[in-house]
Amino acid sequence: DARVTQTPRHKVTEMGQEVTMRCQPILGHNTVFWYRQTMMQGLELLAYFRNRAPLDDSGMPKDRFSAEMPDATLATLKIQPSEPRDSAVYFCASGLLGESTDTQYFGPGTRLTVL
Amino acid sequence: GDSVTQMEGPVTLSEEAFLTINCTYTATGYPSLFWYVQYPGEGLQLLLKATKADDKGSNKGFEATYRKETTSFHLEKGSVQVSDSAVYFCALSRGSTLGRLYFGRGTQLTVWP
Repeated sequence: DARVTQTPRHKVTEMGQEVTMRCQPILGHNTVFWYRQTMMQGLELLAYFRNRAPLDDSGMPKDRFSAEMPDATLATLKIQPSEPRDSAVYFCASGLLGESTDTQYFGPGTRLTVL
Repeated sequence: GDSVTQMEGPVTLSEEAFLTINCTYTATGYPSLFWYVQYPGEGLQLLLKATKADDKGSNKGFEATYRKETTSFHLEKGSVQVSDSAVYFCALSRGSTLGRLYFGRGTQLTVWP
């Protein structure tokens, strides 16, 4: 049963520290999304990639957030420096463009707490 | 811009009760519509989808019909179970290009035995 995996599942850090979250999309998927979930804003898109190229990162604070896909099996989301307002659950999702089901498959999320 | 509005929760029901969670959308063109479910501590799972007007998505006893005239995609289930307790999200994407999802705020459902 293919799944999206995310590490770490939980992260507690102090303000100002760098945070790196990793995502392994389902093998063969060519589209990867990063979403953030907070009580105040709900679920919002941060960025997404197709064939490893960024297509939309308009939801991401550019001064502190960066997203990359070093290869087809790994997506990373970095925050430097982190702030308490970044506390949220970060979800990665992947999908395959051209597949008739048009479905995004979500990982279990990384719960980030910035003190 | 594109957006989704769904009824605020929480919704509390007894087992075997009828469920409706309302969802309306604003979008240009012909979006695809989705319902996702999130169980405690887990990621979102696709529950059902519809890609064009009058399509009905269904899965695990849940149904939703894409109504273009009322821009709605209400989720229904005839008889809920305790195991249906979760947060339900309505979402849309533009067409079928596997683009970004626009989510509603989510509706917490609790079913009591």
